[in-house]
Amino acid sequence: GEDVEQSLFLSVREGDSSVINCTYTDSSSTYLYWYKQEPGAGLQLLTYIFSNMDMKQDQRLTVLLNKKDKHLSLRIADTQTGDSAIYFCAVLEGGGNKLTFGTGTQLKVEL
Amino acid sequence: ETGVTQSPTHLIKTRGQQVTLRCSSQSGHNTVSWYQQALGQGPQFIFQYYREEENGRGNFPPRFSGLQFPNYSSELNVNALELDDSALYLCASEGGDGYTFGSGTRLTVV
Repeated sequence: GEDVEQSLFLSVREGDSSVINCTYTDSSSTYLYWYKQEPGAGLQLLTYIFSNMDMKQDQRLTVLLNKKDKHLSLRIADTQTGDSAIYFCAVLEGGGNKLTFGTGTQLKVEL
Repeated sequence: ETGVTQSPTHLIKTRGQQVTLRCSSQSGHNTVSWYQQALGQGPQFIFQYYREEENGRGNFPPRFSGLQFPNYSSELNVNALELDDSALYLCASEGGDGYTFGSGTRLTVV
């Protein structure tokens, strides 16, 4: 089955850019998602990209997809303390009824 | 504001009991999925319903079952609760613009 991996922690200074990386194994994946989870809360959909795209930009968020390397990244520009949370990469398998999540990257934004 | 609401927000049950968790999706969202998120982990797919029929199932035993109703609400039922069932249970609906999750139900089994 699909395997999705993320690094566990990332620490950045306020105002810097953050880049969160994700790798996956299923080349037939169709949609790839980024979710944000704050302590004790559910998942907030940040953005998603279709597998035939290389890049998607949405305000401070930029998603890059390298389909050849099965690598997805989320760049947050001008990172703020309110961006501190756990970020999950999720991949929709080909066939389309199951999201496979990574273990999440905890982003800590320091003043 | 999310279009997916879940109830209750927190629940404590005793091992061996049964539990029903509820989810209300946005009107027109025919697909609902349930996920289990254990502490410190990513969510794991339990199953999906499309137009009231099961449309895929993850690696969960049959004591995890579900229902979807015509009014876009759904239920997750878990029988014979085990301590390892303690987790955050998330409902997600899909309406053509990505999977939107509810805030979840935190289930504690003691």
